[in-house]
Amino acid sequence: KAGVTQTPRYLIKTRGQQVTLSCSPISGHRSVSWYQQTPGQGLQFLFEYFSETQRNKGNFPGRFSGRQFSNSRSEMNVSTLELGDSALYLCASSSVRGLGETQYFGPGTRLLVL
Amino acid sequence: AQSVTQLDSQVPVFEEAPVELRCNYSSSVSVYLFWYVQYPNQGLQLLLKYLSGSTLVKGINGFEAEFNKSQTSFHLRKPSVHISDTAEYFCAVTGGSNYKLTFGKGTLLTVNP
Repeated sequence: KAGVTQTPRYLIKTRGQQVTLSCSPISGHRSVSWYQQTPGQGLQFLFEYFSETQRNKGNFPGRFSGRQFSNSRSEMNVSTLELGDSALYLCASSSVRGLGETQYFGPGTRLLVL
Repeated sequence: AQSVTQLDSQVPVFEEAPVELRCNYSSSVSVYLFWYVQYPNQGLQLLLKYLSGSTLVKGINGFEAEFNKSQTSFHLRKPSVHISDTAEYFCAVTGGSNYKLTFGKGTLLTVNP
């Protein structure tokens, strides 16, 4: 079974631009979560989607948004990019939504904002 | 709300030596605990998790962890490390109505020959 895939793997943008990142979960998985990883803040939760609905949102500004499609694929969008948005963005999927469920992570998209 | 503290940001050890990576958590509700490993330029891979039952949990690659509720700890151990264990290790927690993973800052394990 293929793992979680994320595209693109690397991205360079300039301040003020917007970016869309894509995540395809493991086949059959319906829950998708996004995390931001930076050297300073570590791993921080962005949002969680299940059945095309956002179920949980982390403490990030409204410039960060996402969505989930009927095939469980998910996208996240960051508008008006800032230098501080440079990070590794990780997507994780799980088969169901529940405490204790294993989240399987993709390789991430590394975003550099210049 | 939950929080996780990984007490050591870096742990250098020699090959074939034992290692313990420390993790303490804080939560007002019952928790589920996880250890993930991240190799360079990769995502996170689950090593093991504690849900309930036996407090000693065995995971992949020879790692194990012990849940200690009174000390709110979930330390990761391996009796003999290999060069290939060099990576960053993250402790994480979920609990209550919060399905998200709350991570510690990570511990960089460096295994030297």
